[in-house]
Amino acid sequence: GEDVEQSLFLSVREGDSSVINCTYTDSSSTYLYWYKQEPGAGLQLLTYIFSNMDMKQDQRLTVLLNKKDKHLSLRIADTQTGDSAIYFCAEPFGGSSNTGKLIFGQGTTLQVKP
Amino acid sequence: EAGVTQFPSHSVIEKGQTVTLRCDPISGHDNLYWYRRVMGKEIKFLLHFVKESKQDESGMPNNRFLAERTGGTYSTLKVQPAELEDSGVYFCASSNRDFPGELFFGEGSRLTVL
Repeated sequence: GEDVEQSLFLSVREGDSSVINCTYTDSSSTYLYWYKQEPGAGLQLLTYIFSNMDMKQDQRLTVLLNKKDKHLSLRIADTQTGDSAIYFCAEPFGGSSNTGKLIFGQGTTLQVKP
Repeated sequence: EAGVTQFPSHSVIEKGQTVTLRCDPISGHDNLYWYRRVMGKEIKFLLHFVKESKQDESGMPNNRFLAERTGGTYSTLKVQPAELEDSGVYFCASSNRDFPGELFFGEGSRLTVL
């Protein structure tokens, strides 16, 4: 079955880089997503990558996609205490780009120590 | 612009009782989704409305769950009768037709069944 897997916890020091990893199962996925959930809030879309890209950079965020290994990573440069949150990797059901029916991983809790 | 709002934020009920959760999506969003997170596990899809029509309810656990979306605006999710395993956080999300995968989530309704 379709499954998205992530490590559950990551702790870094302020100023360091954080790398959150994810593996997914559907090689036909057109988009892959990173959602962020801050304490007491709903999830919000942080960034996404289209499947024909290997890398996407957006300010402090870098998304790397390895389609061969079905591996997605999110790198946060110069991690700040405000980056402490749960990060969810997600792919669409059946690989379709035209849906909000997503498969989420369990979420990686990022703890940033001052 | 108001975001997705959910009510109640937390509900504690006895096994066998009924609970109704409400979601008000972002105005103009045709797509409305319900998701559930149980015991810190994955966030799992429950169902999808397009306007007032149920597009996909393949994730609904059983017939104790009933979702409606009146007039294509707000939605309710009723659990009747509630069982212990229904405890979790129920998330509502909405998206527009242009980029369905960009889900805008509410803060969630935490349901505790005793």
